[in-house]
Amino acid sequence: QVQLVQSGAEVKKPGASVKVSCKASGYTFTSYDINWVRQATGQGLEWMGWMNPNSGNTGYAQKFQGRVTMTRNTSISTAYMELSSLRSEDTAVYYCVNGMDVWGQGTTVTVSS
Amino acid sequence: QSVLTQPPSASGTPGQRVTISCSGSSSNIGSNTVNWYQQLPGTAPKLLIYSNNQRPSGVPDRFSGSKSGTSASLAISGLQSEDEADYYCAAWDDSLKGRVFGGGTKLTVL
Repeated sequence: QVQLVQSGAEVKKPGASVKVSCKASGYTFTSYDINWVRQATGQGLEWMGWMNPNSGNTGYAQKFQGRVTMTRNTSISTAYMELSSLRSEDTAVYYCVNGMDVWGQGTTVTVSS
Repeated sequence: QSVLTQPPSASGTPGQRVTISCSGSSSNIGSNTVNWYQQLPGTAPKLLIYSNNQRPSGVPDRFSGSKSGTSASLAISGLQSEDEADYYCAAWDDSLKGRVFGGGTKLTVL
């Protein structure tokens, strides 16, 4: 079945970077865009950007421009989202979502000194 | 402040019909399709309705969606206790060149 499996929880210090992975299975990875969405505790969903796994083209929400980078490794059907210059407000669960609207299980990123 | 506006809460008793609204603008709902998501506590969101009113396979026909102008609605009929969850609307925004979500509606089954 179509599945997106994300990497495990991360704890980072302010100013550091985090890289979350999202491994796809059950479909052709390059056929559907990958979006990243985050959710702070008790808050709503926030779209961060998208990536076309075939071309590598990306589009980022203005809020994250300059701090987020979305990449992929097609040989292992895996997408990555790297967020830099972390601050406490970046503490959230990060989800990858494919173009079929299948969601990963989420990765908790905690930013704390 | 979310781009799409939803009521923060809604409630109903078992068997009742409830609706959740989602208000946007000409750059999002007015010119693009709307999806609805259900998020049970501690889990990832799940697609409930796509393209305004289409249900993915496996979603009960108790759930229905509609869109008119710059607003959309999710209706749940025959309310059940397992429907207690957070519900989000989403659409592409042509001005922001990104996906936008509503703030979410917490549905309580009394």
